[in-house]
Amino acid sequence: KNEVEQSPQNLTAQEGEFITINCSYSVGISALHWLQQHPGGGIVSLFMLSSGKKKHGRLIATINIQEKHSSLHITASHPRDSAVYICAVRYSGAGSYQLTFGKGTKLSVIP
Amino acid sequence: NAGVTQTPKFQVLKTGQSMTLQCAQDMNHNSMYWYRQDPGMGLRLIYYSASEGTTDKGEVPNGYNVSRLNKREFSLRLESAAPSQTSVYFCASSELIRTDTQYFGPGTRLTVL
Repeated sequence: KNEVEQSPQNLTAQEGEFITINCSYSVGISALHWLQQHPGGGIVSLFMLSSGKKKHGRLIATINIQEKHSSLHITASHPRDSAVYICAVRYSGAGSYQLTFGKGTKLSVIP
Repeated sequence: NAGVTQTPKFQVLKTGQSMTLQCAQDMNHNSMYWYRQDPGMGLRLIYYSASEGTTDKGEVPNGYNVSRLNKREFSLRLESAAPSQTSVYFCASSELIRTDTQYFGPGTRLTVL
């Protein structure tokens, strides 16, 4: 079974710190998604990328296709960034309509 | 725009009871999905509908049925609920199935006693 591994599982940071969350996968993909799940449960898509790097505000997502690895960075972290961050991949191949999700990284940012 | 809406938000069932979870989207999306989220596990796909009139099984379809009523609505039915179906259920939609960002509903927390 193709797996999506995230690290760390839990992360506590002081406000203002630079944060990195990692995601690795096992075989070729056509796209990788980063999502944010708020403490209330709602899920929001942050990025979809297949190569290179994307930036939105203080969030940066990168992907290295050769190493099968992606990172989500948060600069100048804030308590409102506290959430679970989820990585999901769409594997390559005909009929690959499903996303495979990681278990998530729980981030807590302390004032 | 409400985005993706789900009803109910919470539900408690007894083993063997049936119920239908409702999902609707107002973004004119072609594709819709039902997921379940369990503690310590990633989201898992139950069923999906690539377009109006089609439905397909996902990773964990056993014990569930779905109906794509029209382009807006996609319902999930539990015919005979079991404690193993205690979970949080999310509906999602996307414009196209292969490449697009998915938009999620707020979730339904279901407990089966």
